Amino acid sequence: DAGVTQSPTHLIKTRGQHVTLRCSPISGHKSVSWYQQVLGQGPQFIFQYYEKEERGRGNFPDRFSARQFPNYSSELNVNALLLGDSALYLCASSLDGISTDTQYFGPGTRLTVL
Amino acid sequence: DQQVKQNSPSLSVQEGRISILNCDYTNSMFDYFLWYKKYPAEGPTFLISISSIKDKNEDGRFTVFLNKSAKHLSLHIVPSQPGDSAVYFCAASAWGWGGSQGNLIFGKGTKLSVKP
Repeated sequence: DAGVTQSPTHLIKTRGQHVTLRCSPISGHKSVSWYQQVLGQGPQFIFQYYEKEERGRGNFPDRFSARQFPNYSSELNVNALLLGDSALYLCASSLDGISTDTQYFGPGTRLTVL
Repeated sequence: DQQVKQNSPSLSVQEGRISILNCDYTNSMFDYFLWYKKYPAEGPTFLISISSIKDKNEDGRFTVFLNKSAKHLSLHIVPSQPGDSAVYFCAASAWGWGGSQGNLIFGKGTKLSVKP
């Protein structure tokens, strides 16, 4: 069975640009969460979506937005990129997105902002 | 304020011996705890989890212990193998906490090196 997939694998952007990252969850999983991981830190929660609705949002500016599609795939959008947005962006999927669901992560998208 | 703490940035053990990775948390609302393993340039891989209603969970060479009164959990790997060398993250979640029902809070990770 396919795991969580993310695209692209790597991305290089310049300050001020916009970026869209994509995620496909494990088949049957209805919840997708996004995390940002900077070097030397654990992943930090950005968004959670369940059945196309935002269920939770972490402490990130409004430049970050996301959505979930009817097939449960998801996009993370970041506007007006800053150097500090350089990080590994991880997508995780779970069955129903409740606290006792195990979240399974994709390989991540490495974003570099120059 | 860090709610999930892994105070040892690194750990080195000999192949065949036991590896013990520790994690402390401060939020008593956490009801589910997980351990993930991460290799460079890859996403975290789920290892094992434990619900707050249990104090131990085993899966093969991996055992997680939870001490709720001390707000402490540990991951035991026996026997340790060179392929276990990776960064291990402890994570926790709580029903309805932080505006989300599935918001994982991660520690900073512990880098485990298993020497042949």
